[in-house]
This record gives sequence, C-alpha cells and structure tokens, in this order.
Amino acid sequence: QVQLEQSGAEVRKPGSSVKVSCKASGDVFINYAINWVRQAPGQGLEWMGNFIPVFGTVNYAPNFQGRVTIVADESTNTTYMELRSLGFGDTAIYFCARFLPTDSSGYFYYAFDIWGQGTLVTVSS
Amino acid sequence: QSALTQPASVSGSPGQSITISCTGTTSDVGTYYYVSWYQQRPGKAPKLLIYDVGDRPSGISSRFSGSKSGNVASLTIAGLQAEDEADYYCTSYTTTGLLFGTGTQVTVL
Repeated sequence: QVQLEQSGAEVRKPGSSVKVSCKASGDVFINYAINWVRQAPGQGLEWMGNFIPVFGTVNYAPNFQGRVTIVADESTNTTYMELRSLGFGDTAIYFCARFLPTDSSGYFYYAFDIWGQGTLVTVSS
Repeated sequence: QSALTQPASVSGSPGQSITISCTGTTSDVGTYYYVSWYQQRPGKAPKLLIYDVGDRPSGISSRFSGSKSGNVASLTIAGLQAEDEADYYCTSYTTTGLLFGTGTQVTVL
C-alpha cells in the first residue's frame, strides 16, 4: 500500500521561501505522478502543479507559474515543492497527492487517489 | 482561472438523496471526462469518491454516483447517512491543468 509522508510544519516571514517534501513508500516511484494542492484556512482546495515521471514533465497552475518549483529525487522516492516570495495569503495546508496509476493500456487518470497528511505553512511577520 | 462553481451548502434528511452540482465551461467540464469528486472531513485529507465522471474506486459505496451533462457535473449521494456530513469538491482537467470546485458543505439534518 503506497503512503505519502510529508515534512513538518513551517513558519516563514513574508518574502521568503519554503520547501515541502513528500516521500513515497510502498511502490515504485516512477509509476505515478505527484501533485501539490493547498488549502488556506477555512477555504477550498487549489491545485498548484505536478510532476509526471512517465512523461518527464512538470506542470504548474497559471496562478503559481514563476513562483513555484516542483522537483523529484527518484533515488529517495521524494518530491519537493518550493514556493517563493511568500505572502500572508500563502498561509495554508499543503498536500501532496498521487494521480491514480495508469492502467495496463496506458490510460492516464487525472484523479488523486492517495494523499499525504498535509503540511501547515504559516507566513507571519 | 476561476474555480468550478458548486453550491455552498446542501442538506438532507437521513435516507434521502441529494445532488451536488459542479458548473464549469467548455474549457473544462464541458469538454473532458476527467471529472472527479472528493469528500473531506474536518482536519483530514480529501478522499476520492468518483473519477472519470462516474467511476468509483474500489471500496467506495455505490450510494455515491456521478454524471455529467454539458458543462455541469453532478454528484448524487443516495440513502444519506450521518457519516456523509462533510465537504465535497469536484475537479476537472483543463488545458492548463486541474481545476477544483468551490466546495459544498453537506449537512445531514
């Protein structure tokens, strides 16, 4: 059973950066895509971007383009999300989430079946 | 890039059926069959209920069903139970990535 384990809570000052990790266990890392989703306090979910190993691509939501970087370290089964130029509005829980694995025909599913536990990032002066 | 539109809240009595709508555009829900639905309880990560408009992952109750017509996707919960009280979100693939709905709070009366 695949599990996603995220790094611990962070506190950052406005204008700084934060890097959150997501370590996968229980399956071969290359088999699936990892997404990053955030949720501000009392608010809805927002997709930030993903890394798709089978395509070798990294994709970012327009709202975060230029401010977020997603990288993966296959040797440690870990994906990282770095968000720069933090503002108070970036205070949120950041989740990593796996896309459903492709089936035997190679069909790609755009749905998140396994989620990390979430990492609270607080931006405070 | 605006979120998909969902009603803020929906309520029903135990045993009833409720339907949550998810309104998009021809750039997302109206064109692609990559619509999924999630249940989120307070303090927890979301849980996948429906993918590809109407398919259920293994272990998800058949009380949950999904459909789509034009630019509107829908999640129906049949035989409402107290444990269904939670927030529900839709998502759709778009040409610029994934888009979430605004979220719907379901209350069991």
